[in-house]
Amino acid sequence: AQSVTQPDIHITVSEGASLELRCNYSYGATPYLFWYVQSPGQGLQLLLKYFSGDTLVQGIKGFEAEFKRSQSSFNLRKPSVHWSDAAEYFCAVAALGGGADGLTFGKGTHLIIQP
Amino acid sequence: GAGVSQSPSNKVTEKGKDVELRCDPISGHTALYWYRQSLGQGLEFLIYFQGNSAPDKSGLPSDRFSAERTGGSVSTLTIQRTQQEDSAVYLCASSSQRGNQETQYFGPGTRLLVL
Repeated sequence: AQSVTQPDIHITVSEGASLELRCNYSYGATPYLFWYVQSPGQGLQLLLKYFSGDTLVQGIKGFEAEFKRSQSSFNLRKPSVHWSDAAEYFCAVAALGGGADGLTFGKGTHLIIQP
Repeated sequence: GAGVSQSPSNKVTEKGKDVELRCDPISGHTALYWYRQSLGQGLEFLIYFQGNSAPDKSGLPSDRFSAERTGGSVSTLTIQRTQQEDSAVYLCASSSQRGNQETQYFGPGTRLLVL
């Protein structure tokens, strides 16, 4: 079964600084990978997803993520964070294939933005 | 169009009572998912519907949990004889068709508190 690890429970970044959130997955083949963001009291919003092709994917709100098969990683990055980026970030994996099982999520990383 | 909606947004109940949680997916979306988000367990996949059918119910935490979907649209998650450990946020998501590459769009969730 697939699994996702987000090593950092909390990350604090100054406004305007760059950001990298780590995600490692465990799966036997190339998975489908997702990053979602959750603001307080809100549902999950998709930032970006990777299925195949170019390993650097662009998402909404200026986010990007890079798939590295050799490291089983799919880290999320942003060059310059804004106070509105403060939220909970979840990495998720879906199994490749015709099935439609639900997503497997990491535990999440809570992003705090310092003024 | 409108996103995924869930009702109620908050529910407080007494231990032992039954509760029903409702999900209205995006119009035309054939796939519907239920997840549970709790402090201890993070985001857990519960069950998936393609149309009105749920091929795999093994993700439901216990036999007190059941779900149905009628008319290929609205879904109800029912928890019988609620326990305090059922306290969590229950999230619903929908996608345009089955397949793990399809983006799941999430509702705002129902926050359940069992006293």
